[in-house]
Amino acid sequence: EVQLVQSGGGLVQPGGSLRLSCAASGFTVDNNPMSWVRQAPGKGLECVSVMSGSGITYYANSVRGRFTISRDTSKNTLYLQMDSLEPADTAMYYCSGLANYWGQGTLVTVSS
Amino acid sequence: EIVMTQTPISSPVALGQPASISCRSSESVVHSNGKTYLSWLQKRPGQPPRLLIYKVSERFSGVPDRFSGSGAGTDFTLKISRVETEDVGVYYCMQGTEFPWTFGQGTKVEI
Repeated sequence: EVQLVQSGGGLVQPGGSLRLSCAASGFTVDNNPMSWVRQAPGKGLECVSVMSGSGITYYANSVRGRFTISRDTSKNTLYLQMDSLEPADTAMYYCSGLANYWGQGTLVTVSS
Repeated sequence: EIVMTQTPISSPVALGQPASISCRSSESVVHSNGKTYLSWLQKRPGQPPRLLIYKVSERFSGVPDRFSGSGAGTDFTLKISRVETEDVGVYYCMQGTEFPWTFGQGTKVEI
C-alpha cells in the first residue's frame, strides 16, 4: 500500500520560514515525479513545485526564489523549504506522487 | 503555461442521474512520447485530492466504473453515469504533459 505522510506546517509570521516533509512508503520518491500542490481558502488547486524523477525542478512564478523542493532518497522523503513567507502563501499544502497518490495535507498559515 | 478551462462551474444533479464535465486545454496536451497526460481528480472538503482518471480514460485503482473519461488533443470529458451521494464534491482536470502542471478551475457537483 502506498502512503505519503506529511509533517511540518503551522502558523508563521510574514517573512518567516517553514519546512514541509512528505515521507513515502510503497513508493519511491526518486523514480517518480513528485509535486507540492496547494489550495488556498476558497480557491482551486495550484501546483507550486515539481521534481521529476531525474531531479529537474519547477516552481510556480509566485514562489520561485522563495521555495525549494528537495528529496532525501535514503529517507524516501520529499521536502518543501518555504522562506520569506507571505500571507498569500496561506493554504493547505499536499504532496503528491505522480498525481496518483496524495498526502493527507498540512495547513500553512502566514499571519502576524 | 497550458490553461485548463472547465465547464460548467457548477452542476446540480439528481441522485441516479448522469453528470458530465468538460475540460478544454489552451494547447494540445499530447506529450512528445505520444501519451496524453490528462487526469481527473475529485476533491471533497477536508480530504486530499483523489485521482479518478489518468491518461484521459484509464480508471485508477478502486475507482467505481460509473466514472469514465474520454477525449483527445484539447477537449476532454468526465462522465458519471449515475450520481451517488458520495460523488458530491469538486472535480478538477489536470494536465501533466508539460511543466507547469496545471489544473482547471474546478466543477462543483451537488445533489
